[in-house]
Amino acid sequence: EPEVTQTPSHQVTQMGQEVILRCVPISNHLYFYWYRQILGQKVEFLVSFYNNEISEKSEIFDDQFSVERPDGSNFTLKIRSTKLEDSAMYFCASSEWGVNYGYTFGSGTRLTVV
Amino acid sequence: QKEVEQDPGPLSVPEGAIVSLNCTYSNSAFQYFMWYRQYSRKGPELLMYTYSSGNKEDGRFTAQVDKSSKYISLFIRDSQPSDSATYLCAMGGGNKLTFGTGTQLKVEL
Repeated sequence: EPEVTQTPSHQVTQMGQEVILRCVPISNHLYFYWYRQILGQKVEFLVSFYNNEISEKSEIFDDQFSVERPDGSNFTLKIRSTKLEDSAMYFCASSEWGVNYGYTFGSGTRLTVV
Repeated sequence: QKEVEQDPGPLSVPEGAIVSLNCTYSNSAFQYFMWYRQYSRKGPELLMYTYSSGNKEDGRFTAQVDKSSKYISLFIRDSQPSDSATYLCAMGGGNKLTFGTGTQLKVEL
């Protein structure tokens, strides 16, 4: 069964450093998303991406965040200057038809900012 | 009032029991309703989706939506230990999903 692949599975970084989280969505999917889940809290929307541009972003997705689809297969989330409160699981998701049919999520990248 | 409310549990049931999981919501703009299952330290896995009031069945799972009451449910029949996980309701409108906090379910032998 096709799956969304995320790397790395766990990343530890120092506060203030830049991190790039990588995702390979399912190949025929056109809609891409990033969500995060702080330990013990709910899954929160960060950003949706379609046709090479952001279609919607949340209040969390401020200027320190950016997304990119550098080639035909990868989808990345960059955090420019990490803060302690950015520590969370970051999930990439993709969908063929958009939100109405649900997404396929990756297994996540656990980001720890120290 | 939170957009989506879900009892976090934990909910513990014996094997074979019927499980009922519920969410309420306040945003009338939600058009799509989903249930995801999440195992510890894994990504959410889509179980069911629907966009209309009524019932939808898939194997041992039944999703129920009542838009007039802003209430959705997931029923699991003949529950198995492998069903032990956190169940997340999620609701969509526009380009994003809004999740509940999740209900932790344990099915005991």
